[in-house]
Amino acid sequence: DTAVSQTPKYLVTQMGNDKSIKCEQNLGHDTMYWYKQDSKKFLKIMFSYNNKELIINETVPNRFSPKSPDKAHLNLHINSLELGDSAVYFCASSLPHTDTQYFGPGTRLTVL
Amino acid sequence: KNEVEQSPQNLTAQEGEFITINCSYSVGISALHWLQQHPGGGIVSLFMLSSGKKKHGRLIATINIQEKHSSLHITASHPRDSAVYICAVTGNNNDMRFGAGTRLTVKP
Repeated sequence: DTAVSQTPKYLVTQMGNDKSIKCEQNLGHDTMYWYKQDSKKFLKIMFSYNNKELIINETVPNRFSPKSPDKAHLNLHINSLELGDSAVYFCASSLPHTDTQYFGPGTRLTVL
Repeated sequence: KNEVEQSPQNLTAQEGEFITINCSYSVGISALHWLQQHPGGGIVSLFMLSSGKKKHGRLIATINIQEKHSSLHITASHPRDSAVYICAVTGNNNDMRFGAGTRLTVKP
C-alpha cells in the first residue's frame, strides 16, 4: 500500500501553460508539505498545510498555489509555467511534532 | 553562505566502517531533521531532533544546541547505506532550511 502518492511521475510541458500535480496520503496525517528540489539537488520547502490552514509559505511565486480538497490531499497548481520551474517536486505528510515525514516518490517537471 | 552547512560533501567508505556526517547551522531552530535520499530519488526522513541524541538501528543522530551542530553516525556501514544525506532545520517561525547534502558511497 502506497503511503504518499503523487501523480504524474513525469510532466513535460511548454512555457506559459498551467499544470497541476496531485498528492494523496492514506496515513491519516494532519500535515502535508510540498518541496522543490532543483537541478543542484537543493531541497526547498514550498508549503505546508495543517487542517486546511497554510502554516508555512516560503518566498514562492504566487503562480504556485496549494489546494487541499480534503485532509488526505494536497495538490499543487502552477500557473504560467516558466523554465525555472523545472525541478523535482516532492509531497510529504506527517503527524504534528513527530520524527517522520513520509515523502512521495516525486514528480519531475520539465518546462520547455 | 548557506545557513545550513554540511560536511563532507562527498564521502567514500569501505563496508563496515563507522561514518560521521556533520551539520552546522547559523539560525535559531526548533528542530533539526536528517533525511536520506536514495539513488533512485526517493526521500526518507531519518530523525527529527530538538536536543540530545536519538538512535534507530545502526543510525545515531546527535545535536548540540549551544554549538549549533549535529552529527549523523552510521555504525557498521553497508553498501545499501549509499545515498545522499540531507540536514534540514526548522526555524523558530516554522520555516525550513536545507543543507546541500552529503553523498555517501559505501564500497563492499
